[in-house]
Formats: sequence, structure tokens, C-alpha cells
Amino acid sequence: DSGVTQTPKHLITATGQRVTLRCSPRSGDLSVYWYQQSLDQGLQFLIQYYNGEERAKGNILERFSAQQFPDLHSELNLSSLELGDSALYFCASSVGGQGPEAFFGQGTRLTVV
Amino acid sequence: EDKVVQSPLSLVVHEGDTVTLNCSYEVTNFRSLLWYKQEKKAPTFLFMLTSSGIEKKSGRLSSILDKKELFSILNITATQTGDSAVYLCAAYSGGGADGLTFGKGTHLIIQP
Repeated sequence: DSGVTQTPKHLITATGQRVTLRCSPRSGDLSVYWYQQSLDQGLQFLIQYYNGEERAKGNILERFSAQQFPDLHSELNLSSLELGDSALYFCASSVGGQGPEAFFGQGTRLTVV
Repeated sequence: EDKVVQSPLSLVVHEGDTVTLNCSYEVTNFRSLLWYKQEKKAPTFLFMLTSSGIEKKSGRLSSILDKKELFSILNITATQTGDSAVYLCAAYSGGGADGLTFGKGTHLIIQP
């Protein structure tokens, strides 16, 4: 158990809908990273937050947004969902803003039908 | 564009064999190379390599980085069925684009 908690574990929703994925980082970790993993693309970095502020952006679509709250939990919002958004979404956390050694949650499996 | 390429994509060996997994990278402002093991869901951290030529070891697993040739290898000796997993390699740039650039992974299957 990495100490990173993601909810829900599985999510099935229709195209055009909006969903929110939630992540609680390990105790003491200030950085939260979001990744998308699909069969053809592998693990893709989406976005990073550090102590409530956006730190870096990767391949995140405009339909997706994220935030980190004062208690350091983070939410990833996915809107106007398309079939191609079906994937495993991981959250990872690390202590600092620069360290790459991140611990991953178990992921949320999103299926868009 | 940052790129990490792993080979082979898939590998099937018998228990007890030794395997070598390869990872090459082209990353701007490279800082470190990380290996993860992904069994069912979450990738679990194995190694982080920052310096060239220094081997990191954990039990039957070891890894080394060559910063001149831009690659890393992960060795697993005396493989066991529990080693079956996808092994992911990631390069960390630490620059403006924080986060890790992952390869697509090597799917390792250990047959009894």
C-alpha cells in the first residue's frame, strides 16, 4: 500500500458527461501528479500540483482540469467525455516539488460508453 | 519532444532465468532515470538512478545508468513467477515540464 488513496476505483459514464476523480496523497507529501494510462499511449503525465499551486502541465486536454485543496487532496475533473477518454487515471504524490520519486495510488478505471 | 523507449516490449522466460530489460531516453535537461514495476494496478517504485556507472541493487534486481549513451538496463536474476509484471522506465527532467516521461513498458512473463 503506497499510502496514496484514489476514489472511485471504477467509473462508467456516458459520452458528454462530467466526472470528478479524487486523490488523497501520502501524509506529508506536498506534490500531487495526475497521469493517464491507456493501452496505446502508455503512462502520460497530465498535471502536477505542489502545495495548492499548479506546478507543471503535460498532455492535459482543455476539457480536463484539476485542483489541489488546502488539505492537499486533489481532484481531476473530466468534462464533455469522449470514448477515447476511457483509461486508467493515476494519482501520485511525492514529498517535494522537485523530487521525481513518486508513489502511485491504485488508479481509477474510467470507462466512457 | 522527450522520448523514452523500452525494449523488448514483451518477454517470456522460464523461472530461474536471468533477464535484461533496456531503456533508452532522449530528454531535455535529464536529471534521473526511474524504474517501476506494475503488476495489476499501481506502479511501484524500484530504483532511481542519477549518476552514471553506479549500480543500484535490491535483492535479485539491479540497475545501471549510462548517461553518455543515454540508456539504462534493469537486470533480474533467478527470476520467479512473482516477477511477472510490466516494468516501466521513466526519465525525469526536473525542468519546466515537471513530471516523468514514461516508456511503454516491457511486459515480462515468467513461466514455471
